[in-house]
Amino acid sequence: AQTVTQSQPEMSVQEAETVTLSCTYDTSESDYYLFWYKQPPSRQMILVIRQEAYKQQNATENRFSVNFQKAAKSFSLKISDSQLGDAAMYFCAYRSADFGYGQNFVFGPGTRLSVLP
Amino acid sequence: GAVVSQHPSRVICKSGTSVKIECRSLDFQATTMFWYRQFPKQSLMLMATSNEGSKATYEQGVEKDKFLINHASLTLSTLTVTSAHPEDSSFYICSARDVTRSYNEQFFGPGTRLTVL
Repeated sequence: AQTVTQSQPEMSVQEAETVTLSCTYDTSESDYYLFWYKQPPSRQMILVIRQEAYKQQNATENRFSVNFQKAAKSFSLKISDSQLGDAAMYFCAYRSADFGYGQNFVFGPGTRLSVLP
Repeated sequence: GAVVSQHPSRVICKSGTSVKIECRSLDFQATTMFWYRQFPKQSLMLMATSNEGSKATYEQGVEKDKFLINHASLTLSTLTVTSAHPEDSSFYICSARDVTRSYNEQFFGPGTRLTVL
């Protein structure tokens, strides 16, 4: 079974600064996807960024980028120029690429990010 | 992205009653939907996988007779919590898979907060 670990229950960052959230995972599969989701107080899950395991290039989306280390099974999220609206719960998630496995998400425990003005 | 709705957004019921939660994919067909449960300050945990036209697949520890899932059409899955008890109070989130999109992309509903008195 796949597992996802986030070792930082809480993080804080000064507005306009950069912060990195950590995530490690365990799987025996070779093809999969990794995600970072943001959950604000409304609790709507918002996709931040996605990485395909077969791609060596790290995904980027505007101020958000990842450091994907497949051999180390590590998938960290870097938020640059942090904004007050970035404050939320962030979940790292794994999903199999194999259609036969159903492709449900496996979520980490989450990291609560606070942004200080 | 595509839209997934859930109804109701909040429900309060008395212990021993049944509650039905709907998950709809509004602009795509979803042969597979997933139901997750999120307790306060915790992560999302998969409860069951709902497949259109067939029986749902439940995760270990989830009582299939208590959490009835019906996926009778390509755009609607329902979760019925039967004989609800206070310990069933939680946030229930569905996701729907769109196999016509890259990565078989999935979209989350806004969630349903269930409170059992």
